[in-house]
This record gives sequence, structure tokens and C-alpha cells, in this order.
Amino acid sequence: EPEVTQTPSHQVTQMGQEVILRCVPISNHLYFYWYRQILGQKVEFLVSFYNNEISEKSEIFDDQFSVERPDGSNFTLKIRSTKLEDSAMYFCASSLPTGSSTDTQYFGPGTRLTVL
Amino acid sequence: GQSLEQPSEVTAVEGAIVQINCTYQTSGFYGLSWYQQHDGGAPTFLSYNALDGLEETGRFSSFLSRSDSYGYLLLQELQMKDSASYFCAVNSGGYQKVTFGTGTKLQVIP
Repeated sequence: EPEVTQTPSHQVTQMGQEVILRCVPISNHLYFYWYRQILGQKVEFLVSFYNNEISEKSEIFDDQFSVERPDGSNFTLKIRSTKLEDSAMYFCASSLPTGSSTDTQYFGPGTRLTVL
Repeated sequence: GQSLEQPSEVTAVEGAIVQINCTYQTSGFYGLSWYQQHDGGAPTFLSYNALDGLEETGRFSSFLSRSDSYGYLLLQELQMKDSASYFCAVNSGGYQKVTFGTGTKLQVIP
């Protein structure tokens, strides 16, 4: 069964450093998402991406964040200058639009980011 | 802004039925989804309601009342593997923007 994959599974970085989290969505999906989940808290929407541009973003997704689809398979989240409070699990998700107002989102296993 | 409220914890006995409630305040409501998340795992989609009423998928059912801004997830014939966190989520604002609730940790006991 197709699945969303994410690399690395765990990333440790120093405060102020840039990190890039990578995702490979399901191959025929067209919508891509990033979420984060601070330990013990709820899942928070960051951004959705369609047709090579951001379609929605939350207030969390400020200028230090950016997303890119550099090729036909990868979808990346870049954090330019990490802060301690960026430590969280980051989930990528993808969906196949069916014309309904929502489509099942399939989540990857997540990347745990630890900022020291 | 968006807000979704759920009970933080629920305990139920194996084989029983449990209902997890969700109340929401959002703008531009499109529908209510439910996700399951085991400890250390990724959220997994369970169900979606765009219209009022009950949607049934196997042992799981989900209900929505748009006029009451309220929904619930019903789990029947509980199994130990159902022990997990359950999140309601609203599609609102714009297309494909999803706001998750605070989550309900379900513990199934023998």
C-alpha cells in the first residue's frame, strides 16, 4: 500500500541553525501538508501546498518557514533559524483531491526535531 | 479564531461502547473529521462528516450537528488496540486548512 515517507526520523540541531525536513508524498497525490505536534499537545496545521504554491498557511508559518517541491517526488519544509520552541514532531501529509470539500489526508511517520 | 474542545481522557472497558464528544467554534466550516493517533505514531484518518447525521464505518461511527457545532465519535465493541488519542478536526477557513482539537486519550481496560 502506498505511504508517505519522511526523512530523517530524528533531527538534532543547534539553535539558530537551518534545517530541512523531507517528505515523499504518495505518488498520485496533489495536495501536500505540513503539521507539527509539540510533545503531549495537539496537532497544529502549518501549511498546505498545491500546484507548486502555498494554498493555506497558519499563523505559525511565519517568515522563518518555507516549503518547496524541488522535483516530482519530494516536498520539503525549511526552518531558517531554529528556535528552542521549534522542537516538535513534524508530520507531512498528502491527499488526492476527489472534488469534495475535504479529502482523506495520509500522514507520514513524522520527523522529531530537537533544537538544543 | 478556531477552537475545538474535547474531553482530555476517557476510560472504557473492552467490549463496551464509548462516545467522544467534540464542540467547535470556527469560521468557514466545511466538515468535521476524526483521527486516531497511537503513542509515537502518526494521525490516521477515521471519518468525515460534512452534513448533519451519522456516518458509520465498521465499529466506528461519527455524528455531526452543524446547528449545535457539535459532533461525536462512537466506538463500539472496544478492543485493547483502540487505546489511543482521538482528535476531531475541522476543515475551515479555506480549502484544505485543518484545525485539530485538543485530543482525547482513550484507555481501554480489560
